[in-house]
Amino acid sequence: AQKITQTQPGMFVQEKEAVTLDCTYDTSDQSYGLFWYKQPSSGEMIFLIYQGSYDEQNATEGRYSLNFQKARKSANLVISASQLGDSAMYFCAMREEDIGYSTLTFGKGTMLLVSP
Amino acid sequence: EADIYQTPRYLVIGTGKKITLECSQTMGHDKMYWYQQDPGMELHLIHYSYGVNSTEKGDLSSESTVSRIRTEHFPLTLESARPSHTSQYLCASSAQVGEKLFFGSGTQLSVL
Repeated sequence: AQKITQTQPGMFVQEKEAVTLDCTYDTSDQSYGLFWYKQPSSGEMIFLIYQGSYDEQNATEGRYSLNFQKARKSANLVISASQLGDSAMYFCAMREEDIGYSTLTFGKGTMLLVSP
Repeated sequence: EADIYQTPRYLVIGTGKKITLECSQTMGHDKMYWYQQDPGMELHLIHYSYGVNSTEKGDLSSESTVSRIRTEHFPLTLESARPSHTSQYLCASSAQVGEKLFFGSGTQLSVL
């Protein structure tokens, strides 16, 4: 089973509007972390935001916020006031503790296109 | 801003050639990783290292090998490249296990 599921292959949004990118995860761990990364066409991966499983408040970083619903196992990324430069692939990732090594498992990504 | 560097940025080579993809970081991170990413797809971990002289295979089988002789350097080698190795290779590092990863710009490899 997929550990990270991003159901939206592509999303379109107009400049200055808000957009939500969906992410659901599957883990039996009590302690885990959720990350969002942005990958522009240039290829590098840019860290956006992090949410720990024990964090009671939703994480925010500037225009990025994470809508964390633990019971639903969802960690949606909300981008407010979209900008043309937000056009990129967005990956949700999870850190688990119970595997032999602890690194990040990534979803398939969502391509976001921001139009003028 | 991440201080992790990958070279070359793009590489086009013929089948059977030996290649080494370079990755260096100046952050003093013990943990380093190699991910493979096909176009429009997710990243898959192929190698990781938790320190000097420590290397392990990730969850995606790969014919490549890695070495970690110095903390800052984590090169990936393909002894005999094949078209099936065509992909993007991303190097990353982290200060601690499970912390956020800092990524290099990637190497786009094309094997003809």
